[in-house]
Amino acid sequence: EVQLVQSGAELKKPGESLKISCQVSENSLTNYWMAWVRQMPGKGLEWMGIIRLDDSDTAFSPAFRGQVTISADRSSSTAFLQWSSLGASDAAFYYCAGTRHGNTFWTDWGPGTLVTVSS
Amino acid sequence: QSALTQPASVSGSPGQSITISCTGTSSDLGAYNWVSWYQHHPGKAPKLIIYEVYNRPSGVSHRFSGSKSGNTASLTISGLQAEDEANYYCCSYTPTTSPYVFGTGTEVTVL
Repeated sequence: EVQLVQSGAELKKPGESLKISCQVSENSLTNYWMAWVRQMPGKGLEWMGIIRLDDSDTAFSPAFRGQVTISADRSSSTAFLQWSSLGASDAAFYYCAGTRHGNTFWTDWGPGTLVTVSS
Repeated sequence: QSALTQPASVSGSPGQSITISCTGTSSDLGAYNWVSWYQHHPGKAPKLIIYEVYNRPSGVSHRFSGSKSGNTASLTISGLQAEDEANYYCCSYTPTTSPYVFGTGTEVTVL
C-alpha cells in the first residue's frame, strides 16, 4: 500500500516564501500522478493542480494557475507545492493525493500540512 | 470551472439510509462517468469510497453505493453508523478542462 508522507506544519509571515512536500513511500514509482488540494478554515476541498512524477507534466485548476508552483523530484518520489509570497488567504490545510496513470480518481492521500500565515 | 453542488448537510438515525446528491452540468459530471466520492474526517486524510460512479475500492463497506442520472450523481449510505459521521465530497474528472473539480461538500450527521 502506498503511503504519502507530508512535511510538517508551517508558521509564516505574510510575504514570506514557502515550499511544502509530499513523499511517496514506494520507490521507483512510474506513471504516478500527484495532486495538491486546499482546505481553507471551515471550507471544502479545492483542487489546485496535478503533476506526474515521471516527467513533471502539470495541470492547474484555473483558480490556482500562476498563484503557486507545483514541482516534483522523481529520484525521491516527492512532489512540492511552493509560494513565492504568502498572503493571509493562503492559510489552510494542504493535502496531497496520488494515483496511478489512467485512473480518474485518487487512491492515496496524505494527512495534510497546516500552513498558518500571521504577522 | 464551478464547484459541483451538494447539500450542505444530511442527517439520519443509526440504521437508516441517506442519499447525498451532487449536481454538475452537461459539460462536466453529465458528460462522463468519471465521478468519485471521498469521505473526510476533519484533520485526517480523505478516503476514496466510490470511483467511476458506482465502484467501491477494496476494503470499503458495501453500505456505500453510488449512482448517476444525467447531470446528478448520488451517494447512498445504508445502515447508517456513528462512524459514518464525516464530510463527503464528490469529484468529477473532465479531461478537456481543469481537469478535476470537487463538490461543495456535505456534512453527514448521525442523530
